Amino acid sequence: ILNVEQSPQSLHVQEGDSTNFTCSFPSSNFYALHWYRWETAKSPEALFVMTLNGDEKKKGRISATLNTKEGYSYLYIKGSQPEDSATYLCAFYSGGGADGLTFGKGTHLIIQP
Amino acid sequence: DTAVSQTPKYLVTQMGNDKSIKCEQNLGHDTMYWYKQDSKKFLKIMFSYNNKELIINETVPNRFSPKSPDKAHLNLHINSLELGDSAVYFCASSLIQDGGTEAFFGQGTRLTVV
Repeated sequence: ILNVEQSPQSLHVQEGDSTNFTCSFPSSNFYALHWYRWETAKSPEALFVMTLNGDEKKKGRISATLNTKEGYSYLYIKGSQPEDSATYLCAFYSGGGADGLTFGKGTHLIIQP
Repeated sequence: DTAVSQTPKYLVTQMGNDKSIKCEQNLGHDTMYWYKQDSKKFLKIMFSYNNKELIINETVPNRFSPKSPDKAHLNLHINSLELGDSAVYFCASSLIQDGGTEAFFGQGTRLTVV
């Protein structure tokens, strides 16, 4: 059974502050690590797909890093805005079969004006 | 245009009934999936399907069966519904099946079995 852990489970951040949260995953049989943003009453939307150790990806104020050897990824949000409020999911892919994407439980981020 | 669309959005039905949830993607993707959001809010893979191969998560009861009339559709049929089947079911698609490309999700179908 693959275990993907995200921390913290929830996070309150003041508008304008920067924040980050963690995804840990098995370091063996790694193929890809995904980050998704999931707003209430909407579908999860992909932020990043990372496959190489040391990958760093950026989209606007959001960025992510990947360490496959130790099995963790960080998601960073710079200068948080109210519209960043959402649940952020990471998902691990080891390749093959209906293992598909193994999701973490998510970090629920609330930006306070 | 919605990339991945599911219908219905809500489904309330009685135990023992047979029901279907439809999913369509207009992205031209090769692979489609069904995920179940369980009571602990985890998204768990149920099926992965492309035009060549259906891969079933071994934990899924055989009362659940995906049907793909064509590449753009993957419908979920559930026979003899049980109370424990109540959950939110998400359809998704990706360009290829290797997990290296992002998945696009439908808006989910909340199934309530009474």
